[in-house]
Amino acid sequence: GEDVEQSLFLSVREGDSSVINCTYTDSSSTYLYWYKQEPGAGLQLLTYIFSNMDMKQDQRLTVLLNKKDKHLSLRIADTQTGDSAIYFCAERRTGGGNKLTFGTGTQLKVEL
Amino acid sequence: GAGVSQSPSNKVTEKGKDVELRCDPISGHTALYWYRQSLGQGLEFLIYFQGNSAPDKSGLPSDRFSAERTGGSVSTLTIQRTQQEDSAVYLCASSPDGTGGYEQYFGPGTRLTVT
Repeated sequence: GEDVEQSLFLSVREGDSSVINCTYTDSSSTYLYWYKQEPGAGLQLLTYIFSNMDMKQDQRLTVLLNKKDKHLSLRIADTQTGDSAIYFCAERRTGGGNKLTFGTGTQLKVEL
Repeated sequence: GAGVSQSPSNKVTEKGKDVELRCDPISGHTALYWYRQSLGQGLEFLIYFQGNSAPDKSGLPSDRFSAERTGGSVSTLTIQRTQQEDSAVYLCASSPDGTGGYEQYFGPGTRLTVT
């Protein structure tokens, strides 16, 4: 995952918006994903975006993609305590088969 | 419907022993993936099966690791002569065939501890 970078930790207050950032290096990436991992659990797919899109919204989640800067972000509106988890971005690269390359993960802590 | 299941959920083994980890993908999914998650290395791809094609083994860390997928469904990941550095959570995922986002759905993982 050294080619996909994320900040390690983010703390927000309940009700605020959270923005989790990710940078990647491979411009050939076709799809980019966000996964959520709660303690002791597997990875839950939250959303994904195709590389020819610059935004995707799904209820409280908004994904922004800046392909020029190779920057991906996940915005969570009205963050709740249940959103506390580790969030991973991942990329699927052209010619890389369907395997995913994951970022280092961002631990989101939601405080009351 | 049922998601990806993995067994066992936890496995403790002695260094030098062989272990087998099992994955049952979502019914109808033709692609199956193994990843491992460890503190030092994060999430790493291990191997990928797609239908009847030869598997992509490019992520296997050594020849002690192997995997097979029988009948296009269940998969077993085998680690021979386990070492302490093999301790990790082994995650399996499956995805449907065809075009689209190739969304991968993950199982809960098997936590392997090598003592």
